[in-house]
Amino acid sequence: AQTVTQSQPEMSVQEAETVTLSCTYDTSESDYYLFWYKQPPSRQMILVIRQEAYKQQNATENRFSVNFQKAAKSFSLKISDSQLGDAAMYFCAYRSGDYGGSQGNLIFGKGTKLSVKP
Amino acid sequence: DVKVTQSSRYLVKRTGEKVFLECVQDMDHENMFWYRQDPGLGLRLIYFSYDVKMKEKGDIPEGYSVSREKKERFSLILESASTNQTSMYLCASRLDRANNSPLHFGNGTRLTVT
Repeated sequence: AQTVTQSQPEMSVQEAETVTLSCTYDTSESDYYLFWYKQPPSRQMILVIRQEAYKQQNATENRFSVNFQKAAKSFSLKISDSQLGDAAMYFCAYRSGDYGGSQGNLIFGKGTKLSVKP
Repeated sequence: DVKVTQSSRYLVKRTGEKVFLECVQDMDHENMFWYRQDPGLGLRLIYFSYDVKMKEKGDIPEGYSVSREKKERFSLILESASTNQTSMYLCASRLDRANNSPLHFGNGTRLTVT
């Protein structure tokens, strides 16, 4: 079974600085997808960024980028120029490329709480 | 934008009560999901549905059931609420499982069972 590990329960960053959130996963599959979701105090989970495993190029969405190391099974999220609105819980998630049965469902890590200091 | 609406933001129920958590999505999504979220445990899948009247158990289905009579609505049922079901419940939907589309989440229902 696949697992997702976020080893940092809490992180803190100064406004305008850069922070990296870690995520590792365990899988024997070669085809899969990885996601970062953000959950602000409003509680609604919002997709931040996603990465297809077959793509070597790291995904980027404005100030958010990932460092995808397939061999190391690592998928870290980098937030540049941190803003107060970035304060939230961040969840890393894995989805199998095999859509049969429950394989297409997301497996979430336990989350990292990010605080942004003004 | 996809809208996933959970009927209650906060709910307080007594032990033994039957509890219904309702979720509605407005984008004709085939797949719908119920998760519970607990501190230090992340999100855990309770039940999911790939289509109307279809349902499958997730990782922690014990003590829960679901109903999907219409495509847009997915209900989570606690047949006899217990204190260990006090949690945040998140509903999500997705276009279909053959498409690499992300989950769209509702705002969550914080359930307290006393």
